[in-house]
Amino acid sequence: GAGVSQSPSNKVTEKGKDVELRCDPISGHTALYWYRQSLGQGLEFLIYFQGNSAPDKSGLPSDRFSAERTGGSVSTLTIQRTQQEDSAVYLCASSWGVNTEAFFGQGTRLTVV
Amino acid sequence: AQSVSQHNHHVILSEAASLELGCNYSYGGTVNLFWYVQYPGQHLQLLLKYFSGDPLVKGIKGFEAEFIKSKFSFNLRKPSVQWSDTAEYFCAVNAGAAGNKLTFGGGTRVLVKP
Repeated sequence: GAGVSQSPSNKVTEKGKDVELRCDPISGHTALYWYRQSLGQGLEFLIYFQGNSAPDKSGLPSDRFSAERTGGSVSTLTIQRTQQEDSAVYLCASSWGVNTEAFFGQGTRLTVV
Repeated sequence: AQSVSQHNHHVILSEAASLELGCNYSYGGTVNLFWYVQYPGQHLQLLLKYFSGDPLVKGIKGFEAEFIKSKFSFNLRKPSVQWSDTAEYFCAVNAGAAGNKLTFGGGTRVLVKP
């Protein structure tokens, strides 16, 4: 595709519900990242996939957060039992691999009410 | 673990003024360095990058950055800003054992007054 695509662009959910956020990376990109951007905060690293290697999950804030990447392409970030502090913009990025620039999607704005 | 710090959270300046945004990182090995920009309502996009070679790199829209290894710095500069440079600017680094994981600084919001 032309760029990294994320869906939905906006999501409002009730506290305690589960949500799934989707990321379609640029075709052929082997690396995929998830970041979280909260109001007034920088970009917080969540998880990183590189090819067939085990993902780097070191940034996931709790066991309510998980992500998978199917077939080396599309990725889904799942947040279980959402809390109000989960409200943020969730950004996905992809790249060709090691030591290359990352391209970002528009993000999913998650609001937990 | 690698970390990135940006010295200014907010910068306000007038058109035609010069801009310099500080960025320091903590990692002793080989690094790749980036500046990303996020214009209001838009997604993050790459402004410039440094992988190797000339430590003075030129980016889009008249921006440049200088990598000073001894100071662990990668400061962003523009000699004369425009109103359209109003945005949030993020410094990022990936290095060493972290592989291709990009670590970002906290960002600097720049407001250019017309």
